[in-house]
Amino acid sequence: DIVMTQGALPNPVPSGESVSITCRSSKSLLYSDGKTYLNWYLQRPGQSPQLLIYWMSTRASGVSDRFSGSGSGTDFTLKISGVEAEDVGVYYCQQGLEFPYTFGAGTKLELK
Amino acid sequence: QVKLQQSGAELVKPGASVKLSCKTSGYTFSTSYMSWFKQIPGQSIEWIGMIYAGDGGTGYNQKFKGKATLTVDTSSSTAYMDLSSLTTEDSAVYFCARNSYAHGYVMDAWGQGASVTVSS
Repeated sequence: DIVMTQGALPNPVPSGESVSITCRSSKSLLYSDGKTYLNWYLQRPGQSPQLLIYWMSTRASGVSDRFSGSGSGTDFTLKISGVEAEDVGVYYCQQGLEFPYTFGAGTKLELK
Repeated sequence: QVKLQQSGAELVKPGASVKLSCKTSGYTFSTSYMSWFKQIPGQSIEWIGMIYAGDGGTGYNQKFKGKATLTVDTSSSTAYMDLSSLTTEDSAVYFCARNSYAHGYVMDAWGQGASVTVSS
């Protein structure tokens, strides 16, 4: 199985600050179609996960442009520009390259 | 808009089975894909498996083979997951989520989750 490893944030984060969440995969997620099958989700407290980014850098419909994704085949970053109260929760990276789909352990964002 | 409405919380005894449902609306269910997930509170998310509503074809996480069975009823646009021989380790919140074929099968809409508690 592909192992997804996420970094931590220096919580709590001051409102308005920009943060980056890192994620690393044990195998390249770059597929032969040229797309990188790395997705990002936010799970707010008590809610179900919400899709933020797919194909490493494509924002999902309705997602704020404060969220941006970047990376290579195995190292990825989710950047949040100017964190707001509604951004609080746990962020997960997930690989969609092959079964079984796997998630990182999650990165918690707390606001100061 | 796309909606996935899951069945309610379940309290079941060890050794029993439970069937969770995920009723959908707002899109064409019969040609769509659905995944199911397990999340123990405070922990990460595990993918259980995926089903294609068009023909009932499935793919499972090896870890959940024999534990979970995915089915669909296209007449009611509902997906189901059977969990069998339940133990306390199956106590968790279970989510259904639509896989977007157009976007690399990413999970772009999620149900609200259903809590399963296994206890005698």
